[in-house]
Amino acid sequence: DIQMTQSPSTLSASVGDRVTITCRASQSINSWLAWYQQKPGKAPNLLIYKASYLKSGVPSRFSGSGSGTEFTLTISSLQPDDFATYYCQHYSNYFRTFGQGTKVEVK
Amino acid sequence: EVQLVESGGGLVQPGGSLRLSCAGSGFSFSNYWMHWVRQTPEKGLVWVSHITNDGSGTSYADSVKGRFTISRDNDKNMLYLQMNSLRAEDTAVYFCASLPEWSYYGVGWGQGTLVTVSS
Repeated sequence: DIQMTQSPSTLSASVGDRVTITCRASQSINSWLAWYQQKPGKAPNLLIYKASYLKSGVPSRFSGSGSGTEFTLTISSLQPDDFATYYCQHYSNYFRTFGQGTKVEVK
Repeated sequence: EVQLVESGGGLVQPGGSLRLSCAGSGFSFSNYWMHWVRQTPEKGLVWVSHITNDGSGTSYADSVKGRFTISRDNDKNMLYLQMNSLRAEDTAVYFCASLPEWSYYGVGWGQGTLVTVSS
């Protein structure tokens, strides 16, 4: 199975900060990577697909980059609604794997 | 409006069985692969199983292979997960989801249903 490793596990930030989350795959997944935002008690919400494509309706302050084994999710200017947990997930084969999550909390 | 609504969760004893259902609406259900994903505070999000749009292909995580069976009824826009030989470690919130695939980005997730395996 392909392992997905996110860092950091927790990130403390303030409104207006630029935030970067990293996701590493244990083998190449080309660009078959998605990023999700999840708030407590809710289902994950897709932000980015195919590593860098912004889902329609998602604010442009979110962006994704990378290919192969190294990927990043960037929030250019953190907003109050962005405090949440973020997950990466590969879809390069049938056996999907998620990262362990990055909680973005108030500094 | 696209909706995925799970049902069938609850409390079950170890070794017991449970069938989860997921009703899809607001999109062409029969065109999409579907997945079950579960979540616990300890392990986070864990992919469980997938089924192709026509039901001809399925796959399972090693942790549930041989115990869980995914199926769908495209005439009723329904997805199912039959869970047998349940263990305490199967306790989780179970989500049905249309996840990103190579040719589309999926339609979203249901709200989840809680399965608790305990005596």
